[in-house]
Amino acid sequence: GQNIDQPTEMTATEGAIVQINCTYQTSGFNGLFWYQQHAGEAPTFLSYNVLDGLEEKGRFSSFLSRSKGYSYLLLKELQMKDSASYLCAAMDSNYQLIWGAGTKLIIKP
Amino acid sequence: GAVVSQHPSWVICKSGTSVKIECRSLDFQATTMFWYRQFPKQSLMLMATSNEGSKATYEQGVEKDKFLINHASLTLSTLTVTSAHPEDSSFYICSARDALAGDYNEQVFGPGTRLTVL
Repeated sequence: GQNIDQPTEMTATEGAIVQINCTYQTSGFNGLFWYQQHAGEAPTFLSYNVLDGLEEKGRFSSFLSRSKGYSYLLLKELQMKDSASYLCAAMDSNYQLIWGAGTKLIIKP
Repeated sequence: GAVVSQHPSWVICKSGTSVKIECRSLDFQATTMFWYRQFPKQSLMLMATSNEGSKATYEQGVEKDKFLINHASLTLSTLTVTSAHPEDSSFYICSARDALAGDYNEQVFGPGTRLTVL
């Protein structure tokens, strides 16, 4: 079956770095997405990886290893506004997004 | 960038009534739109995939007669919750894929509609 695993919750300190891991198993693969979702709001797009390696976008970076079925989202210089849920989603061969349950990130001062 | 709107943002209705939610792609054409439901503290659950000009594809366990989806144009899809009950209260979110986005395949999400059924 198809499955996405990511930690339920993580806590980090303002100004620090945090890495949110995601492993996936899908029927075919057309890319890995990371979305940010604040409470009560819809998800917003953060990143897309389809090739192995690291994609850097400002304070956020995303990494993909297709052979390992593994991705991570790296957040640097954490700010209080980064407190949110981070959703990992893999796109299968039918271009369907398979969603993880999300990782709730709590930022402490 | 691509923008998707939803209307209404929130709605409260009585049990047994029907509620229609609109999802519009504002500056791009969306051959495919997706409808999700999200209960508090849970992940997104895909309800159905809506393709312009054809019948929607529903996920297992989603009643197609209860959740009516119409995708009549490249910029508009509607979800109608028929005979709503309190257990249908949830956050309904649509997303759209830009038909011209090529390999990127990013789904753009609408702001969501919070439905409360009394």
